[in-house]
Amino acid sequence: KNEVEQSPQNLTAQEGEFITINCSYSVGISALHWLQQHPGGGIVSLFMLSSGKKKHGRLIATINIQEKHSSLHITASHPRDSAVYICAGGSNYKLTFGKGTLLTVNP
Amino acid sequence: DAGVTQSPTHLIKTRGQQVTLRCSPKSGHDTVSWYQQALGQGPQFIFQYYEEEERQRGNFPDRFSGHQFPNYSSELNVNALLLGDSALYLCASSFSGVIYNEQFFGPGTRLTVL
Repeated sequence: KNEVEQSPQNLTAQEGEFITINCSYSVGISALHWLQQHPGGGIVSLFMLSSGKKKHGRLIATINIQEKHSSLHITASHPRDSAVYICAGGSNYKLTFGKGTLLTVNP
Repeated sequence: DAGVTQSPTHLIKTRGQQVTLRCSPKSGHDTVSWYQQALGQGPQFIFQYYEEEERQRGNFPDRFSGHQFPNYSSELNVNALLLGDSALYLCASSFSGVIYNEQFFGPGTRLTVL
């Protein structure tokens, strides 16, 4: 069983919609990363959270430590947001990745 | 300031061969982690190098080995290649490997084993 579980696996939205991707993680993970991966492979780090909430532009990430749950929100989605979004839990110097959420935003 | 760089970009090998992949960390970073990403899957942790030593290792066989040089760059070596080793190999750098620090990823090396 993966220590990091993401949902949904696939998500299709219309431009302008509010998007939420969820991530649950197991005990022992002390920092939660949200990453974006475009076709071709390159991974970009979006957020690293150990508590609370962070915002960058139209992206918002929240974490609830008690419930071991994090969410990534995208406001006013745009076709250029189409990518795979991955959450990864950090513990003991390594990252454990979820399987990713493939987001497609249609114009 | 150059980010994390990896070479080569693409590589094709045949079963049984050996391969070496290279990674240069972001300036100021001293820790390099390697990940394997099979098609359609999330990355899997291979190992992490800090102070020229393997600090932690994931569930990968001994065919996977690595090295870190005094300038913090790193190599990943895979011996006796199998078809199942075909994947995107990613390296990530950070400062001192503290998991609270942001990890910066390279563009990856796509390895195809025929």
